[in-house]
Amino acid sequence: GQQLNQSPQSMFIQEGEDVSMNCTSSSIFNTWLWYKQDPGEGPVLLIALYKAGELTSNGRLTAQFGITRKDSFLNISASIPSDVGIYFCAGRESGTYKYIFGTGTRLKVLA
Amino acid sequence: GAGVSQTPSNKVTEKGKYVELRCDPISGHTALYWYRQSLGQGPEFLIYFQGTGAADDSGLPNDRFFAVRPEGSVSTLKIQRTERGDSAMYLCASSLNAVDTEAFFGQGTRLTVV
Repeated sequence: GQQLNQSPQSMFIQEGEDVSMNCTSSSIFNTWLWYKQDPGEGPVLLIALYKAGELTSNGRLTAQFGITRKDSFLNISASIPSDVGIYFCAGRESGTYKYIFGTGTRLKVLA
Repeated sequence: GAGVSQTPSNKVTEKGKYVELRCDPISGHTALYWYRQSLGQGPEFLIYFQGTGAADDSGLPNDRFFAVRPEGSVSTLKIQRTERGDSAMYLCASSLNAVDTEAFFGQGTRLTVV
């Protein structure tokens, strides 16, 4: 099935560093969601974005809805060990109900 | 309940058998989604329900897969004549309605076909 392109695919960072990841689509989306998934668990919703250019924060996490409506970005500031996991973006086109997910960014934090 | 509940959490079945996977959405949520996730991949859409009706079933891979939501709450994903390639994590999500776009996932059912 269709999946969005997410980068980087994986990253190792030191505790305390900031992290950036992004997601791109060939289609225009009207909604972007960002999730975190731990092994063996379902994805947990982190941030929802509804308007082009929108910048939304949730604690140390900040996400942006790209102005072209074809991309989105997630930043994590001052990373901590519990940030380890896989981060997925998901987008939805206007007039549709299904979310299309990205390929995921696997984050590993070195203490 | 407080969140989306999926049962069983794990299911091992023999090739060719029939399986049912259950999803209890968040109370009051009218929209319900089924996704399938293979190891190392993102979730892939299977089917979307608004109330009792399947508004979009374009992601079901073939006619061995079927889902129902007879009373607009609990949903069951049914897989006939299971194949080894059906092994995956099956995820269910719900949202308040078709307009409210925040979708919340359950913990998933890990299906293994041997």
